[in-house]
Amino acid sequence: GAGVSQTPSNKVTEKGKYVELRCDPISGHTALYWYRQSLGQGPEFLIYFQGTGAADDSGLPNDRFFAVRPEGSVSTLKIQRTERGDSAVYLCASSLRRARRGQANTGELFFGEGSRLTVL
Amino acid sequence: AQTVTQSQPEMSVQEAETVTLSCTYDTSESDYYLFWYKQPPSRQMILVIRQEAYKQQNATENRFSVNFQKAAKSFSLKISDSQLGDAAMYFCAYRSSYDFTSGTYKYIFGTGTRLKVLA
Repeated sequence: GAGVSQTPSNKVTEKGKYVELRCDPISGHTALYWYRQSLGQGPEFLIYFQGTGAADDSGLPNDRFFAVRPEGSVSTLKIQRTERGDSAVYLCASSLRRARRGQANTGELFFGEGSRLTVL
Repeated sequence: AQTVTQSQPEMSVQEAETVTLSCTYDTSESDYYLFWYKQPPSRQMILVIRQEAYKQQNATENRFSVNFQKAAKSFSLKISDSQLGDAAMYFCAYRSSYDFTSGTYKYIFGTGTRLKVLA
């Protein structure tokens, strides 16, 4: 796609429920990042995918959080047994890991509009 | 570990005036990128300007410019001729050099500065 697409835009759920947040990165971007942004804070790293594999999941807060990217494109962030503290905006970003021929790797992340999760 | 610090939670500027947002960072690396991102109420982070650490010349993009002081580990953003549309959260971000262990670049963000533009 033309940009990074995230769905849903907003999700309200009850404590203890399971949620899935979806990210569709820019076509051709092999690197995909998930961040969590709490109110008034900067984005905090959760997990990084290079292709289909999670190259770095050191930011996932606990085992209730899991993410997949089975075909190296769309990624899903999964949160089990949601807690009120999980309420935040979940941001997805993609980038070129390496520049293609004739294309400069500018090093930047391209972000989606985020999914706002509210746990009641 | 690298850190990024933005010490100004909020700044205000009069329309058409100039404002400078501060950012400092800590790293032992010599090869890295620095960025300023803008986040309007729509939530989408938009790149404002980037700086490669090996470049001594300060980056500029129209009304936006940076003052990159590598030795001092400082990376401030100057917005000239401020416009109402510049009102947003601004985040300073650091991209590490490539980590061969994890096979990734680390991107670290500051806590942000909310910029208000007064008409």
